[in-house]
Amino acid sequence: GAVVSQHPSRVICKSGTSVKIECRSLDFQATTMFWYRQFPKQSLMLMATSNEGSKATYEQGVEKDKFLINHASLTLSTLTVTSAHPEDSSFYICSAREPARGNEQFFGPGTRLTVL
Amino acid sequence: GENVEQHPSTLSVQEGDSAVIKCTYSDSASNYFPWYKQELGKRPQLIIDIRSNVGEKKDQRIAVTLNKTAKHFSLHITETQPEDSAVYFCASITGGFKTIFGAGTRLFVKA
Repeated sequence: GAVVSQHPSRVICKSGTSVKIECRSLDFQATTMFWYRQFPKQSLMLMATSNEGSKATYEQGVEKDKFLINHASLTLSTLTVTSAHPEDSSFYICSAREPARGNEQFFGPGTRLTVL
Repeated sequence: GENVEQHPSTLSVQEGDSAVIKCTYSDSASNYFPWYKQELGKRPQLIIDIRSNVGEKKDQRIAVTLNKTAKHFSLHITETQPEDSAVYFCASITGGFKTIFGAGTRLFVKA
């Protein structure tokens, strides 16, 4: 149980285009989902906390108009990187929390974004 | 703001030896401390966790200790094996479920 999927696993896009990444909890309802970015050989940096049915809470330094987050249902959150640039190339990972399991978070497999 | 410091950044041990990774957190409201193992290009995998009301927890070759007063927690891996080679991250989570990760430790276990 507690499986989180992400789609796509890899995406290559041209500079200036927008990319949408989906995060799904497959066998549980996730009231809260988190989006992280991880650059090569670095740690996971929390970008935003996404709560179902409300606006996401962004961390300091993360542009909410550039990284659009929508948590429309208890099993789906999406991250849209708008007008992507090469510096946005990174590994994006989501995680989901199942309230019944307390603090533990379940991570998706990640999405590698490459912006040319 | 909240911060988690992790040391060392790189650790090389001989197979069979022990490995210790240490972390310090800043937010006194943190109440949950997971440790993750991440292999290249993969998602972090939870290997052990500890809650703030516990001082030590052990699971086979892996143990974690927590000193709330000093805001320190450590990961101990005994009888290391080559397949333990990976990047290990500590993290702290507050009551608001916000997770702050340490910078990571790259562990090499030499056969």
